[in-house]
Amino acid sequence: KAGVTQTPRYLIKTRGQQVTLSCSPISGHRSVSWYQQTPGQGLQFLFEYFSETQRNKGNFPGRFSGRQFSNSRSEMNVSTLELGDSALYLCASKEESHYNEQFFGPGTRLTVL
Amino acid sequence: DQQVKQNSPSLSVQEGRISILNCDYTNSMFDYFLWYKKYPAEGPTFLISISSIKDKNEDGRFTVFLNKSAKHLSLHIVPSQPGDSAVYFCAGLSNSGYALNFGKGTSLLVTP
Repeated sequence: KAGVTQTPRYLIKTRGQQVTLSCSPISGHRSVSWYQQTPGQGLQFLFEYFSETQRNKGNFPGRFSGRQFSNSRSEMNVSTLELGDSALYLCASKEESHYNEQFFGPGTRLTVL
Repeated sequence: DQQVKQNSPSLSVQEGRISILNCDYTNSMFDYFLWYKKYPAEGPTFLISISSIKDKNEDGRFTVFLNKSAKHLSLHIVPSQPGDSAVYFCAGLSNSGYALNFGKGTSLLVTP
């Protein structure tokens, strides 16, 4: 099976702009989670989607949003970008069983200038 | 608040020796723990996991130990190889949540 894919891999934006990142999970995986990785904070959970519904959400402001489509592909959107949003955004997918390992994509490196 | 802590940001070990990476957690609801390995410019890859009903899980050169009373787990790599050089993340999962709670990672360097 193909792994988790994320597009784009690199992105440069300026403050105040918005950005949309895309994630295609492993075929058959219906759960998609998003994480933000920064040098100071490590990996922090953003949200998780399952069957097009947001099932869980981390402690991020409302500027961070996401959605999932019927084919399980997911997008996350960040509006009114701030310098502190510069990070590696990782998407992970897993099978339905709760304790199954999550498979991560390579991430999208977002730089906000 | 950081529910999973990896207090050693970095560790350097000689090839062939044992690497021990430590992780502490505060959330008593965690009942499953995972270790991930991450190379630069790649996403984390799953390494090994352990359920809270066990105190040890072994997979080849990798062994994870769990001490529930101390809320502590450790990953042992024996023998260490240069290809093991990466950042290792510990994560906890509770039976009521869907999010992995990650530590900040430990950067392991295995020198020849």
